[in-house]
Amino acid sequence: EPEVTQTPSHQVTQMGQEVILRCVPISNHLYFYWYRQILGQKVEFLVSFYNNEISEKSEIFDDQFSVERPDGSNFTLKIRSTKLEDSAMYFCASRPGTAIAYSNQPQHFGDGTRLSIL
Amino acid sequence: AQTVTQSQPEMSVQEAETVTLSCTYDTSENNYYLFWYKQPPSRQMILVIRQEAYKQQNATENRFSVNFQKAAKSFSLKISDSQLGDTAMYFCAFASTGANSKLTFGKGITLSVRP
Repeated sequence: EPEVTQTPSHQVTQMGQEVILRCVPISNHLYFYWYRQILGQKVEFLVSFYNNEISEKSEIFDDQFSVERPDGSNFTLKIRSTKLEDSAMYFCASRPGTAIAYSNQPQHFGDGTRLSIL
Repeated sequence: AQTVTQSQPEMSVQEAETVTLSCTYDTSENNYYLFWYKQPPSRQMILVIRQEAYKQQNATENRFSVNFQKAAKSFSLKISDSQLGDTAMYFCAFASTGANSKLTFGKGITLSVRP
């Protein structure tokens, strides 16, 4: 079964440094998402992406964050100047294209990237 | 805005027994989707079961079933014949019907299955 893959599984970065989290969504999917889960807390929506542009973003997704789909397969989340509070598990998700029958097309999640800011 | 509430932080069940995890939500929409996701210690997010709000019949997936009460905005998950591998964090989630709809998650509940 096709999977969403995320790399790296664990990223350790010094505060203030830029970090790029990578995701390869399932190949025929058209909607892409990033979520964040601070340790012990709930999963929070960051951003959704469709047709090469951001569809929706949360208040967490400030100017320090950006997303890109540079080559038609990868979907990246960049944090320009990391802060201690950016330490979290970051999940990428994707789902197929048609709006109809969403119930048959749930979001598929990757295994996550654990980001640790020192 | 939608909200999802899971008020029980943790539960414990004996292996082979049945357990019910509670979830309530709030929305002004008439049609939407509800999900339960499982997050084992490995931290993956695994879809357990989903329910469409316009369907009155409760969804079932093998040992997992839901009790969907639309008027009460309640969406509980029943796990029958609990197995040790069911030990995990369980998240209830809501999605609108829009094509690009995001998932709104509850805080989750930690389920421990005792041998």
